[in-house]
Amino acid sequence: QKEVEQNSGPLSVPEGAIASLNCTYSDRGSQSFFWYRQYSGKSPELIMFIYSNGDKEDGRFTAQLNKASQYVSLLIRDSQPSDSATYLCAVNGRGSTLGRLYFGRGTQLTVWP
Amino acid sequence: KAGVTQTPRYLIKTRGQQVTLSCSPISGHRSVSWYQQTPGQGLQFLFEYFSETQRNKGNFPGRFSGRQFSNSRSEMNVSTLELGDSALYLCASSSGTQANQPQHFGDGTRLSIL
Repeated sequence: QKEVEQNSGPLSVPEGAIASLNCTYSDRGSQSFFWYRQYSGKSPELIMFIYSNGDKEDGRFTAQLNKASQYVSLLIRDSQPSDSATYLCAVNGRGSTLGRLYFGRGTQLTVWP
Repeated sequence: KAGVTQTPRYLIKTRGQQVTLSCSPISGHRSVSWYQQTPGQGLQFLFEYFSETQRNKGNFPGRFSGRQFSNSRSEMNVSTLELGDSALYLCASSSGTQANQPQHFGDGTRLSIL
């Protein structure tokens, strides 16, 4: 059974700060990693995906992957109150379960003005 | 480009009934996956369909079933509803040509069992 663990939070940061969200996964062979944002009462929205070790940047978001440490993180620079949401880390299965996503329980982020 | 469309958005049923949920993927996407989200269990995978074939199945009882049509639209059926089936049911689509491509979610169907 794959496990995806996230800081349970909640995480609270002031506007303009960097928010750091962390995720670890149990299957060393996992290849594909995703971050979703979910506002209260809404469905998850894909914000980043990363397949290779290192950093991937998209606007204010940076995903970082370290396969050796089985660790993936999401940095949000210049955090805004509109970033307040639950952030879900997801990992693809392997082999016959490749199309299946395994989700962490999410980290609730609050950005205060 | 239209996103993933799920219907209906809300459903109220009673125990023992059955329900069918519908999902239309993003145009050109051939893979459709279904997930159940509850406060207690989080997001749990139900099944994935690609080209009308079930490619993956999660650990849910046989009361949960699905199918995919030739136009990639998918339906999910739950029979003999139980109180514990109350949840947000989410459909996600991806291009599917490689099974690990990003999945995009619809708005979900919120199912309440009385």
